[in-house]
Amino acid sequence: DGGITQSPKYLFRKEGQNVTLSCEQNLNHDAMYWYRQDPGQGLRLIYYSQIVNDFQKGDIAEGYSVSREKKESFPLTVTSAQKNPTAFYLCASSTPTRAYINEQFFGPGTRLTVL
Amino acid sequence: DAKTTQPPSMDCAEGRAANLPCNHSTISGNEYVYWYRQIHSQGPQYIIHGLKNNETNEMASLIITEDRKSSTLILPHATLRDTAVYYCIVRAYSGGGADGLTFGKGTHLIIQP
Repeated sequence: DGGITQSPKYLFRKEGQNVTLSCEQNLNHDAMYWYRQDPGQGLRLIYYSQIVNDFQKGDIAEGYSVSREKKESFPLTVTSAQKNPTAFYLCASSTPTRAYINEQFFGPGTRLTVL
Repeated sequence: DAKTTQPPSMDCAEGRAANLPCNHSTISGNEYVYWYRQIHSQGPQYIIHGLKNNETNEMASLIITEDRKSSTLILPHATLRDTAVYYCIVRAYSGGGADGLTFGKGTHLIIQP
């Protein structure tokens, strides 16, 4: 089955530790995205990548870093510089053709809790 | 992107049509209206989009007013599985690239048995 996978579903880390969230897609999509969602709120864009080896900051990139070495993978690192890292993190992807209609396909999300 | 306004929550009886309103009075001529929904603790799912004509697909219908300042998403026969947060998003086509979407708080639709 084609789709987007995020692992793990739940993640716990101690304050001050960096943590990397995984996002993999086998949809052959060029563009990938990371969003953050806090309770009762909408999604906010962290980073996005339109092509391999290229990525752009979104609205709330501070304290986060990404890489895009492969088309299928777009890992997100939550660094210790992120002041409030506890949140639900969602990864998405889209194709150039579908991007014209702004249709993004989302993964199941990773719920990160920093203790 | 134009700002959208949606009611925070709505109830609908199972089997009835669910009509979700969205105001976007500052929409510009090249901006489309998109609808996504998010079932609890899952990623959002694309539903439908439109520019000025009414649109229908297997999931829903989208009615856009003639002045384009508001729209309504219609789920014709709501089921319990339609309980979710529905997001109305207004933005232009991405052009040659694909940047991110802006999600507000949406409308929490609760389907009652």
